[in-house]
Amino acid sequence: SAVISQKPSRDICQRGTSLTIQCQVDSQVTMMFWYRQQPGQSLTLIATANQGSEATYESGFVIDKFPISRPNLTFSTLTVSNMSPEDSSIYLCSVTGFGEQYFGPGTRLTVT
Amino acid sequence: QKEVEQNSGPLSVPEGAIASLNCTYSDRVSQSFFWYRQYSGKSPELIMSIYSNGDKEDGRFTAQLNKASQYVSLLIRDSQPSDSATYLCAVTKGTSGTYKYIFGTGTRLKVLA
Repeated sequence: SAVISQKPSRDICQRGTSLTIQCQVDSQVTMMFWYRQQPGQSLTLIATANQGSEATYESGFVIDKFPISRPNLTFSTLTVSNMSPEDSSIYLCSVTGFGEQYFGPGTRLTVT
Repeated sequence: QKEVEQNSGPLSVPEGAIASLNCTYSDRVSQSFFWYRQYSGKSPELIMSIYSNGDKEDGRFTAQLNKASQYVSLLIRDSQPSDSATYLCAVTKGTSGTYKYIFGTGTRLKVLA
């Protein structure tokens, strides 16, 4: 399986600011995804990060709020923009390899 | 109807017993099925994948798939307190190259020492 790292591991941010989360994989992967997991909840897919093109967003998520970059096959960023307390969550990067999906360690975001 | 449904639990079993976790899905064309374990404060960890009808065993874990009934289950034999976690069922949706994973809400398992 791929080794996935995320930075930062956690952060506390003020409302109205933005935070960019980085995801780095130790090998080239075709598909990368960004998920959100709110306290006590399951995983919600935010978007699929496409290399060299715009991300594909799920219903309820928009590019202005969650801009995503994917400049190459090993790296992606997710920005949470104009944050509010409702954005407090764990944000997870994941990749697929050999038909299976693996998750990074997550970024725990608290918005005050 | 949710795309992937699981009983939220908690499911409590004594140490050494068999824990049985169940999952149903709505999309008949789904081809790939997965079980993840998630400890509190950690990210999900893949423990089993299954692609064809029947049983697949890996150590103390057995995944069972019945596509006709749109049902997938996970059995944990000789349950240990360290198995206490939330177990997430996931199903793929879409076609190769564009698929995504749909997760259930998870079943919390408590193994009592």
